[in-house]
Amino acid sequence: AQSVTQLDSHVSVSEGTPVLLRCNYSSSYSPSLFWYVQHPNKGLQLLLKYTSAATLVKGINGFEAEFKKSETSFHLTKPSAHMSDAAEYFCVVSLPRDNKLIFGAGTRLAVHP
Amino acid sequence: DAGVIQSPRHEVTEMGQEVTLRCKPISGHNSLFWYRQTMMRGLELLIYFNNNVPIDDSGMPEDRFSAKMPNASFSTLKIQPSEPRDSAVYFCASSLPTSGFHNEQFFGPGTRLTVL
Repeated sequence: AQSVTQLDSHVSVSEGTPVLLRCNYSSSYSPSLFWYVQHPNKGLQLLLKYTSAATLVKGINGFEAEFKKSETSFHLTKPSAHMSDAAEYFCVVSLPRDNKLIFGAGTRLAVHP
Repeated sequence: DAGVIQSPRHEVTEMGQEVTLRCKPISGHNSLFWYRQTMMRGLELLIYFNNNVPIDDSGMPEDRFSAKMPNASFSTLKIQPSEPRDSAVYFCASSLPTSGFHNEQFFGPGTRLTVL
């Protein structure tokens, strides 16, 4: 069975400083991994996805994530936080050719001036 | 494209009443998903359809919940009778046909349901 663990429920950073949101996964097979973002009172939007191509994946709004099989991790990073990045972020796992997504519990990112 | 459309955006009802949530997927998408989001349980997949056929309803909480997809452009999630513990945000999402790798799911804005 596959699962995903987001290691921090809340992260707080200052504007202009780096962002790190941590995610570990468990999967018996080569997984597909995703990060989704949810702004307040909005639906979820895909930030980026890993599907066994390049291990460093670039997404929208300057975010990127690195797939590390040896560490079973898929951490999300951004060099410089912007106020508009304040949102909830979900790490997600899925098996290839499987339509189902397994969501982590989410990490709420706060960005302070 | 207008994206995934859900209605109503907000619903307040009394315990015991029937509630119907509606979803229009993105045109051309053949997979449709219903999720529930609560503070306690996070995001849960309730049911999904491929080509209008329910594939996996193992996430549906109990018999009070039912979902239909009569055609490629419309789906409903019904709760009858509703209970206060059903209060949550319900999301609908759609995606293109799976082609070896998982396709992005596009989410609607959600329906916030409050059962008094």
